[in-house]
Formats: sequence, structure tokens, C-alpha cells
Amino acid sequence: DAKTTQPNSMESNEEEPVHLPCNHSTISGTDYIHWYRQLPSQGPEYVIHGLTSNVNNRMASLAIAEDRKSSTLILHRATLRDAAVYYCILRVLSNAGNNRKLIWGLGTSLAVNP
Amino acid sequence: GAVVSQHPSRVICKSGTSVKIECRSLDFQATTMFWYRQFPKQSLMLMATSNEGSKATYEQGVEKDKFLINHASLTLSTLTVTSAHPEDSSFYICSAKPLNRSPSYEQYFGPGTRLTVT
Repeated sequence: DAKTTQPNSMESNEEEPVHLPCNHSTISGTDYIHWYRQLPSQGPEYVIHGLTSNVNNRMASLAIAEDRKSSTLILHRATLRDAAVYYCILRVLSNAGNNRKLIWGLGTSLAVNP
Repeated sequence: GAVVSQHPSRVICKSGTSVKIECRSLDFQATTMFWYRQFPKQSLMLMATSNEGSKATYEQGVEKDKFLINHASLTLSTLTVTSAHPEDSSFYICSAKPLNRSPSYEQYFGPGTRLTVT
């Protein structure tokens, strides 16, 4: 089964960039890489996703390795509100093949110091 | 836009009773909704995929007779935990995939329902 591996926790200082790594060595050619984040006792929030090329949006950047076996979520300037658990997820075809589902890792708990 | 609500946000019930959790997409239609379960300090585990007007598809190891899912309209899906036991205590989260909306890949998550079975 496709799965992702992330550090349990990371720490950053406010206003500094943060690089959150993720390994997904068993990724298949049709699996998308998604990142969501979750604050305590809340539902997850979409951050970014990609397939092969690097991606940028207003929240973050996603750097995908050429062999697609790893990726890095980049927060360019961390703020206190960015403190959350960040999940690196593979979006894979369901067993029935008619839908895609998210396979969640354990996430990285990011602490941001003022 | 793209707000998903869940009701109730917290529920405490006695062992052996049934509990219904509602998931609503407030400002969009969703043909597909997903139900997840999350234990403390663990990741989200997909329980089932619910398509409007058809039977839900359950993940391996999830008892469909225990976790009844109904997706009767394009804005509402319900999860009923039947004959709840303490080990069913968990954080239940739903998500909805928009119909005819860009981006189509994105799932919008509800705030979750904390179920405690005593």
C-alpha cells in the first residue's frame, strides 16, 4: 500500500522559512501528492498538491523530487498561525477504480516560536 | 465558500446506544463524501466513501452494519454508529468533494465530531 513517512515534529522561528520533508518511496505513477494541515480538534485544511512538477500557491510551495519518491513542503515565512500538524498524503485510485482516496501519514507537528 | 458542517460537534452516549452524525455541505453540492476516524495523536483513517444515491464503499476492516452511512441528497450524508461501545470513542471527520466545481480534486473537511461512549 502506498504510504508516506514524515518526521514526528519540527520547530521553526517566526518569519523564517520552514521545509517539511516527506518520503513516499512506494508512490505509483498515477498517485498525486497532497498536503493538508490540521489544528487541534479541527478538520484538516488543504494546503497544496502536485504530481510531478513543483507547485506554488499563496500558502506554500511544493518541491517534488525527480524520482517522485520524496517531496518537501515549503512555508516561506512561518507565522504563529502556521503551527499545526502537516500531513503528507498520497491521493490514489480506490480499489474499485472509480474514485480517488487520500492515504494519510502520521504527520509532522510544527511548532513556531515567536 | 466551500464550508462543510458537522452536527453534533460533541456527543456522549451510553454503551449499546446508537448515535447519528450529520455532515452537510453548506454552499456547494457534493456527489461524494468521505468519512474518517481519528484516534488521539494518530492520523485520519478513511472509513468509507459515500456517493449520493448509492451504497457507500467501506474500507477493509470497517463493519458496514455497525457504521451505517446514508447519502440521501447532494448536501447531506449521515453516519450512524450502531450499538456503540467504548472502543468506538473517537473523532469522526467528514469531507465533501464538490460537484462541477474547480478545483475538482479538493476535499473540504468538516470540523469533526467528538464521540465518547461511556
